[in-house]
Amino acid sequence: GQNIDQPTEMTATEGAIVQINCTYQTSGFNGLFWYQQHAGEAPTFLSYNVLDGLEEKGRFSSFLSRSKGYSYLLLKELQMKDSASYLCAHSSGSWGKFQFGAGTQVVVTP
Amino acid sequence: GAGVSQSPRYKVAKRGQDVALRCDPISGHVSLFWYQQALGQGPEFLTYFQNEAQLDKSGLPSDRFFAERPEGSVSTLKIQRTQQEDSAVYLCASSGTSGRDTQYFGPGTRLTVL
Repeated sequence: GQNIDQPTEMTATEGAIVQINCTYQTSGFNGLFWYQQHAGEAPTFLSYNVLDGLEEKGRFSSFLSRSKGYSYLLLKELQMKDSASYLCAHSSGSWGKFQFGAGTQVVVTP
Repeated sequence: GAGVSQSPRYKVAKRGQDVALRCDPISGHVSLFWYQQALGQGPEFLTYFQNEAQLDKSGLPSDRFFAERPEGSVSTLKIQRTQQEDSAVYLCASSGTSGRDTQYFGPGTRLTVL
């Protein structure tokens, strides 16, 4: 993706917390979306932010700072099934075109 | 309530063949998107439809790629004279009322060009 930066891989222990950061260019911002993608499967919508602050949805939370071009996805009480790639997507422009980061592969270990 | 479906799930083509990939969006969804995803990368935008109108095709990599949505529902992505670099997963997504809404993805078609 163009100028969408997120770490390539993160490893964490079952039951722990992991924070995945995403930075993007701020021009024409409409929203910031997070998707989960298991290998060989479709991306699944997790969360989105339009305004600054924290959005909480069960074990997953997402934070946005528009002025800093920064978001993070927080995964709490990690489970083995959370092992997947997490995609950050920036929506911008007149119709909300999505630009995806390359994804962060999260590996959950026992 | 079916989600987005795509067919075929897997396609193997010989270099130079034409292929057609189908997408059935969520019923009633106005917006439809096609993406190309290489291994280990995020989806890359190809094209966007609102109903039957193709509003953005800036991501199509060459004139060998063509997409249509003639009745504002099912869409087909056609690739002519396939080349090895076309090998990727092609994802379709749809959203409810506008391009700014949450996009819901299909399982993708994995295209392998030999």
